[in-house]
Amino acid sequence: GQSLEQPSEVTAVEGAIVQINCTYQTSGFYGLSWYQQHDGGAPTFLSYNGLDGLEETGRFSSFLSRSDSYGYLLLQELQMKDSASYFCAVRDRLNYGGSQGNLIFGKGTKLSVKP
Amino acid sequence: NAGVTQTPKFQVLKTGQSMTLQCAQDMNHNSMYWYRQDPGMGLRLIYYSASEGTTDKGEVPNGYNVSRLNKREFSLRLESAAPSQTSVYFCASSRQGHYEQYFGPGTRLTVT
Repeated sequence: GQSLEQPSEVTAVEGAIVQINCTYQTSGFYGLSWYQQHDGGAPTFLSYNGLDGLEETGRFSSFLSRSDSYGYLLLQELQMKDSASYFCAVRDRLNYGGSQGNLIFGKGTKLSVKP
Repeated sequence: NAGVTQTPKFQVLKTGQSMTLQCAQDMNHNSMYWYRQDPGMGLRLIYYSASEGTTDKGEVPNGYNVSRLNKREFSLRLESAAPSQTSVYFCASSRQGHYEQYFGPGTRLTVT
């Protein structure tokens, strides 16, 4: 089967750096995505790693190590508006009939940014 | 460009009632998805449609049916609602086989 593990909650202060880790077990790994969801809102796409290494998008970076089945999301210069839940999601080519677009989501990490 | 729209936003049903959740996208995406989100459970895939004319089961399909009406629209039907189907339902779309999915605002469903 498939499983993803990420911390349930993280707290940090404004201006700090926070790292949210994600470890996964899948039968046919095809890539790791990160989504952000504010309370009451819809998930929105943040980043994707298909290959090992770091991807940077502004204040957010995401890292993947396929050999370790591990990735993380790094948020720099934290702002109050970054308070949200963050989900890692795995593309699994063997899941649900092999459709590459399907994602398996972790349970989410609730980030609270304090002043 | 509205993106992904869902109706209704809120719904209360009694056990055994039926209803259809509507979803439409205007991004010309081939693939569409229905998820449910329960507290502490993340998003779980109910059904998906990789392209117009095809639908397939996801992780939690029991108690649901779907229809891909055309390229734009993908509906989710609950034939006989149960309290266990109380959840927030999200529709999403993407380019075929693409990792970036665009989500609608969600439907908050309560079954009493």
